[in-house]
Parts: sequence; C-alpha cells; structure tokens
Amino acid sequence: GEDVEQSLFLSVREGDSSVINCTYTDSSSTYLYWYKQEPGAGLQLLTYIFSNMDMKQDQRLTVLLNKKDKHLSLRIADTQTGDSAIYFCAESNDTGRRALTFGSGTRLQVQP
Amino acid sequence: EAGVAQSPRYKIIEKRQSVAFWCNPISGHATLYWYQQILGQGPKLLIQFQNNGVVDDSQLPKDRFSAERLKGVDSTLKIQPAKLEDSAVYLCASSVYSSTDTQYFGPGTRLTVL
Repeated sequence: GEDVEQSLFLSVREGDSSVINCTYTDSSSTYLYWYKQEPGAGLQLLTYIFSNMDMKQDQRLTVLLNKKDKHLSLRIADTQTGDSAIYFCAESNDTGRRALTFGSGTRLQVQP
Repeated sequence: EAGVAQSPRYKIIEKRQSVAFWCNPISGHATLYWYQQILGQGPKLLIQFQNNGVVDDSQLPKDRFSAERLKGVDSTLKIQPAKLEDSAVYLCASSVYSSTDTQYFGPGTRLTVL
C-alpha cells in the first residue's frame, strides 16, 4: 500500500531557509501536496506539484520532486515566526479513488 | 467563497455513547471526504463520497461508524457506540473533482471519548 514518511521536527531561526523532506512509496502517485496545520485549525493547502514536474516555485515556497528517488521537499525562504506549524506531505494517484495519503507531519519551530 | 463548515467544533462523550458530526462542503464541490486524525498522526481517510454515492469506505469501521450524504450536499458521520480509541479530530474536506484533486479542509471536530 501507499506510505508517506516525514521527519518529525525541524527548528530554524527566523530569516533562515527551512527545508522539509518527505519520501513516498507509491510509484503511481500523480499529485503531491504540502499542507500546513496550525494549532486547533484544519489543513491549509500550501502548494502541489504534478508528478511530471521537477520543481515548482510559489513566492517563498519551492517544491522539489525527485521522482526516481520518490523524494519531495518543501523549501521556505526567509522563514518567519508565523510559519511555525505542522507541515504535511500528501500524495494521490489516478486510480479514481483520489483521496490523499498523508505523512505524519513535520513540526516546524521558528525561533526569533 | 465560504469554506468547508463543520460542527460541533468540540465534543466530549463517554465510551459506548453515540455521537454525530456534520459537514457542509464548499458550494458546487461534488466530492466530500471524511478523515480521522489521531494526535501526532496525519489524517487517514474514512470515507469518500462522489455526489451522494460512496466511492471508498474501505477504511471505515462499519460495525460502529456510518456516514451519509443526502442530496449530494451536507454529510453526517456517526459513531455508535464510541470507543476510547475513537478520540481524534474528524476532518471533512471537499473538492470539485478536477484533475488537480485540490481538497479544501474544514476546521475539524475534536472528539474526546472518556
């Protein structure tokens, strides 16, 4: 079955870049997503990348996809204290099911 | 555009009691999902609806969980009877059913079973 793995915790200083990593096992993954969850809140879609792309940039966010290694990363430039949250990597595949398989999340702590 | 609405936001019950959660998806979204998020884990799909039909309920514990989506809009998720391990946040999400599969999540209902 599908599996998505992430490291549990990342701490950075304000102004630095953050890189959150994710690995997945399903070679038929079509879309890969990054969601942000703040305490007591639902999940907010940050960005997504289609599996035939290597990179996607959206303002401070850069997503890199290495399909051969099944590795996805999210880089946040100029990290701010407001970026402190849990970040989830998720994948879906084109089987008609279309539900997301999530990793366990990476808690990002930004220190002033 | 209004987001996905869920109620209640919090619920505390004792084991063996029943509980129901409600979700109103974004207008026009054909697909609706219920996810269970246990503390420290990522969300896991319970059930997926396409309009008012079930697409996937393979992970739904059908001996105690049930869900319906009448008229292809609002949905309710019920647990009867609840167990301690059902303590979690129940998230509802909806999507247009476009090729990007973008899902928009509600704020969730936090259930505590004592």
